[in-house]
Amino acid sequence: EAGVAQSPRYKIIEKRQSVAFWCNPISGHATLYWYQQILGQGPKLLIQFQNNGVVDDSQLPKDRFSAERLKGVDSTLKIQPAKLEDSAVYLCASSLGGQGIPGELFFGEGSRLTVL
Amino acid sequence: AQSVTQLDSHVSVSEGTPVLLRCNYSSSYSPSLFWYVQHPNKGLQLLLKYTSAATLVKGINGFEAEFKKSETSFHLTKPSAHMSDAAEYFCVVSDQYGGFKTIFGAGTRLFVKA
Repeated sequence: EAGVAQSPRYKIIEKRQSVAFWCNPISGHATLYWYQQILGQGPKLLIQFQNNGVVDDSQLPKDRFSAERLKGVDSTLKIQPAKLEDSAVYLCASSLGGQGIPGELFFGEGSRLTVL
Repeated sequence: AQSVTQLDSHVSVSEGTPVLLRCNYSSSYSPSLFWYVQHPNKGLQLLLKYTSAATLVKGINGFEAEFKKSETSFHLTKPSAHMSDAAEYFCVVSDQYGGFKTIFGAGTRLFVKA
């Protein structure tokens, strides 16, 4: 079974530039999560999708971050404009959602963002 | 709202000695609880999960955790540490009434000395 795919693995940009990360979840997984993990901290939930709909985006900085999940499969997370404090690893995860055990997440390898 | 507190940011043990990583949670409903491990430059991997069945849960690599509702705790243990256990460990809480919102603790870094 293929795992969660993320790209790019690494990205370096200057502040005020924009960046986009892509995630392809495990086939059949209804729930998709984006987490931000700053060095030395635990993952922080940015946004959670159930199929096409947003379940929670309370910690997403909506003035600069946006995310979408078209057709309930792939998802894109965008940052525009980036700030220095956005330097982090962006983790995508998926789970079966309502059909499965809550919270059993399968993670991609992450996209490491460095903002200079 | 759910929350999770990992009581130690760092734990250091000698190889062959027991490991205890502490976690307390808060949840309005019956939670599901998990421990994940993250080795350096690797992805997050599920160690074990509690989902309202047996309160003592066994996971991979000899780890286990006990759900104690009266203490709102879900501590992770291992009888004998191995060098390969050195990693970051995250306690995670989720409940279905929160839309499966899944919250991570801040993490505990485990160091294993030879």
